Amino acid sequence: GQQLNQSPQSMFIQEGEDVSMNCTSSSIFNTWLWYKQDPGEGPVLLIALYKAGELTSNGRLTAQFGTTRKDSFLNISASIPSDVGIYFCAGQSGSQGNLIFGKGTKLSVKP
Amino acid sequence: DGGITQSPKYLFRKEGQNVTLSCEQNLNHDAMYWYRQDPGQGLRLIYYSQIVNDFQKGDIAEGYSVSREKKESFPLTVTSAQKNPTAFYLCASSMDRFSQPQHFGDGTRLSIL
Repeated sequence: GQQLNQSPQSMFIQEGEDVSMNCTSSSIFNTWLWYKQDPGEGPVLLIALYKAGELTSNGRLTAQFGTTRKDSFLNISASIPSDVGIYFCAGQSGSQGNLIFGKGTKLSVKP
Repeated sequence: DGGITQSPKYLFRKEGQNVTLSCEQNLNHDAMYWYRQDPGQGLRLIYYSQIVNDFQKGDIAEGYSVSREKKESFPLTVTSAQKNPTAFYLCASSMDRFSQPQHFGDGTRLSIL
């Protein structure tokens, strides 16, 4: 079946640093979503991308839909302690409809 | 506020027991989903429903059952046939199956006694 490779698996960064993470797929997707999950809670949508090449920001977060339609990137600028959590990418291909999720990037921020 | 409510937050199951997890949404969404999350893993789809009185198996449906008698409700039963039920269960909804994004509830953590 379809799989998403999300990297890095975990990150330890200093407060104020920028963060980059990405997801790649062997299949073409027509939608990419980025979620953040805090411990013991459900994922919260950060950014949704619907067109190849699309670049969308949400505050300090910026995500891009790769031009090949097989990848997506999430950047967080000037990280703060509340950015701690697990970030998931998810992709949807038009033929299937179901979302495929990456395994997550666990972000830890040192103050 | 519109959203998805899952209950209970924590649930314990004895051997041979069926347990039911509740999921209610007031977003007027047609599609609802159940996912299972294990530590260090992405979300895996158990069942989904596109419309009332209809539901489809996801990738890991064995040992689970669902019903969709009302648009706003999509309960999940973890049956005794599910031999490894300990996990975090997440319910989600979207306007329809091909519309994104999906919005999630806060989850139910199921453990074995």
